[in-house]
Amino acid sequence: DQQVKQNSPSLSVQEGRISILNCDYTNSMFDYFLWYKKYPAEGPTFLISISSIKDKNEDGRFTVFLNKSAKHLSLHIVPSQPGDSAVYFCAAMRMDSSYKLIFGSGTRLLVRP
Amino acid sequence: KAGVTQTPRYLIKTRGQQVTLSCSPISGHRSVSWYQQTPGQGLQFLFEYFSETQRNKGNFPGRFSGRQFSNSRSEMNVSTLELGDSALYLCASSLLAGSYEQYFGPGTRLTVT
Repeated sequence: DQQVKQNSPSLSVQEGRISILNCDYTNSMFDYFLWYKKYPAEGPTFLISISSIKDKNEDGRFTVFLNKSAKHLSLHIVPSQPGDSAVYFCAAMRMDSSYKLIFGSGTRLLVRP
Repeated sequence: KAGVTQTPRYLIKTRGQQVTLSCSPISGHRSVSWYQQTPGQGLQFLFEYFSETQRNKGNFPGRFSGRQFSNSRSEMNVSTLELGDSALYLCASSLLAGSYEQYFGPGTRLTVT
């Protein structure tokens, strides 16, 4: 039962352009959604989060959009830089007794110089 | 402040053996969660410990167990290893239980032959 899905295993964009990573979820009870970035041989690093009561959160070059009616969220990176090349994981969480992060399978982003 | 440390970083075991992995959280963090990462599966939640108590458990067989010590360090044990247990095992720490902002260690790469 995949509650969080990242349907694109990889994405390639030109440096300076926008990167859009997508994520779909099935459980309408999630309270928070997060994006993590993972470089090879390192653990995932928290990038940005959004509460289920918001529809947008921005942090520098990173913006996360949440569309609750479509059960869809996206991460926009503008402008993309080669150092952004990594695997991006979408995750969701409920803030009740079942609190745990449920991750998608990840999208590998390659930013070409 | 030192990050999350995991030992060992790499491990090769034979089917049927057991293994113990160790995680030291960030100083002051009392919650430790464990995840399994396999290709195409993303990160799957194993369990979370807070103040030496297991707070939550994922859908893994009883061969997977863990514990947390009074200094918040945690160990994960897998008994009767199977080939399918080959994975990257990640530990994450957070200040409190149920926090969505988790800090991951570099992981332990377990190979079962």
